[in-house]
Amino acid sequence: QSVLTQPPSVSGAPGQRVTISCTGSSSNIGAGYDVHWYQQLPGTAPKLLIYGNNNRPSGVPDRFSGSKSGTSASLAITGLQADDEADYYCQSYDSSLSGYVFGTGTKVTVL
Amino acid sequence: QVQLQESGPGLVKPSETLSLTCTVSGGPVSSGGYYWSWIRQPPGKGLEWIGYISYSGNTNYNPTLRSRVTISIHTSKNQFSLKLSSVTAADTAVYYCARAPLAYCGGDCYDSWGQGTLVTVSS
Repeated sequence: QSVLTQPPSVSGAPGQRVTISCTGSSSNIGAGYDVHWYQQLPGTAPKLLIYGNNNRPSGVPDRFSGSKSGTSASLAITGLQADDEADYYCQSYDSSLSGYVFGTGTKVTVL
Repeated sequence: QVQLQESGPGLVKPSETLSLTCTVSGGPVSSGGYYWSWIRQPPGKGLEWIGYISYSGNTNYNPTLRSRVTISIHTSKNQFSLKLSSVTAADTAVYYCARAPLAYCGGDCYDSWGQGTLVTVSS
């Protein structure tokens, strides 16, 4: 039921910048619904990283930023660190499905 | 700091009902500021929203699961629960309970999660 498509994996060297795309459609991101991002470290529950497209909860470093345009959204990680290795998921609402949907997930590897 | 903790059987037989409870500490589930939610993740796969309940008992379920799902709230115990009927192997997953704040994301995002509990459907 993943209607939000993410690249399966992205990688970068320490200190580099990586971006993760989240591609939706006119019934979710394109309809104006907010996009949220989560980080899931191995063996742990997801953690809210970005809410409302581009807002960071307290305690989340400003190395993480979000953006949204049209039917897509992106998460950027700057100054990549070893402990950024995790799975990242976008999430929004879909009016055709009448429910909340998550992206397919992206594994970030620090080289 | 709110904490959520899932509990329930780790093994359920096919065609039976999966029952899980989420115990909330650090804040009342009777607070009107949150939706109390269930999300699951099959092993090695992505996240799937199951549904939520408000403090007043209003519910919203994933349409693909609606016929089998019941979420209830138990304010006296500061808990909420999930029942999923007629389970099959496809329902094997880590089940998370989570809190969705109304204040800054309209109940659309999840700012606190339980650690998750693996439920396996097998005879």
